[in-house]
Amino acid sequence: SYELTQPPSVSVSPGQTATITCSGNKLGDRFVYWYQQKPGQSPVMVIYQDTKRPSGSPERFSGSNSGNTATLTISGTQAMDEADYYCQAWDSSTVVFGGGTKLTVL
Amino acid sequence: QVQLMQSGAEVKKPGASVKVSCKASGYTFSSYDINWVRQAPGQGPEWMGWMNPNSGNRGYAQKFQGRVTMTTNTATSTAYMELSSLRSEDTAVYYCASPAGFGSSLAYWGQGTLVTVSS
Repeated sequence: SYELTQPPSVSVSPGQTATITCSGNKLGDRFVYWYQQKPGQSPVMVIYQDTKRPSGSPERFSGSNSGNTATLTISGTQAMDEADYYCQAWDSSTVVFGGGTKLTVL
Repeated sequence: QVQLMQSGAEVKKPGASVKVSCKASGYTFSSYDINWVRQAPGQGPEWMGWMNPNSGNRGYAQKFQGRVTMTTNTATSTAYMELSSLRSEDTAVYYCASPAGFGSSLAYWGQGTLVTVSS
């Protein structure tokens, strides 16, 4: 079965750039979606189809996807961005999630 | 605005079944798939399957084949997910999610339904 691999944790200082990766075999051939989840809340989509931002997702969130790695970049990270982040892709008509990355802003 | 409103928390005994509902509003319900995702305490999301309200087509994750049934009622714009033969490992928050215009994403999520399986 297809697997997506994320680092368990990433730390960043306020105002700096946070980078969260998601790796999978030939991931660049698929669309990747990114979700933010804060404790006790439902996930919120921040990036869809690799690079697109839905309305309501701050401009500081951006995405890329090439080769075997997709990347979520948060520029000028704010304290409110501290959350779990999950990448997602489709494989053979099934949804696959990455294991998640806990972003700490300190 | 798009909203997915789920039914309330459930407590079930092992071996029982649970049926969770998800009422959609703010978009054309029959035009987009409904996905079901669960999240056990402290774990990441786990996809359970999808259903298209218009065609009735559906697909289940292999892990849940034979135990899960997804249905929809287009007259009330409501989706249902029933999980049978419950065990303690099924304790989780269950979510419905829909792309509602954002490609094949899970753009919109319900608020979640906590299902607790305990004797």
